[in-house]
Amino acid sequence: DAKTTQPPSMDCAEGRAANLPCNHSTISGNEYVYWYRQIHSQGPQYIIHGLKNNETNEMASLIITEDRKSSTLILPHATLRDTAVYYCIGGGSYDKVIFGPGTSLSVIP
Amino acid sequence: EAGVAQSPRYKIIEKRQSVAFWCNPISGHATLYWYQQILGQGPKLLIQFQNNGVVDDSQLPKDRFSAERLKGVDSTLKIQPAKLEDSAVYLCASSFGQGSYEQYFGPGTRLTVT
Repeated sequence: DAKTTQPPSMDCAEGRAANLPCNHSTISGNEYVYWYRQIHSQGPQYIIHGLKNNETNEMASLIITEDRKSSTLILPHATLRDTAVYYCIGGGSYDKVIFGPGTSLSVIP
Repeated sequence: EAGVAQSPRYKIIEKRQSVAFWCNPISGHATLYWYQQILGQGPKLLIQFQNNGVVDDSQLPKDRFSAERLKGVDSTLKIQPAKLEDSAVYLCASSFGQGSYEQYFGPGTRLTVT
């Protein structure tokens, strides 16, 4: 399974885009990148996943570099409710994800 | 649709006592997971079931932890005897199974061992 590296914490102004980086330089060619988030006192929530192409859904966009060694999760207009710990998971099978410590995102009014 | 249900939400026990947690996954979900989340860390997978069979229990401390998923629906996780280091949030998650990329998590059970 690939190891991922994320900054431990980030701040973002409310209404601005939040760009959360993740390095997964050891990811293999057929391993997906997943993002989950965990709001305080709740279970993690799936956000998005991707393999090679950029992906977008109603929650976020996922930009994966061409060499697949890093990715960025973009929350286009961050709100206070987006304050959470964001986990980038690089690798593993479709039904098995390994969580690291994640990035604690604080959205500031 | 109803989410993943867990009970109890909170539990305080003394070391060497036993405790059990219950999970009811989303209807129709074949895969069920139990995770342990220690404060400040990401969730760690303890055991994964596919229907009522164990797929992965490599990180389950089998000398004190046990889990079962009878009839492939509800699941229980038991700790006996508990240690101080078992203090954590125990999360249950479920997914459709093969071909599904999304796990749905319950609210967790916060266990404090004194």
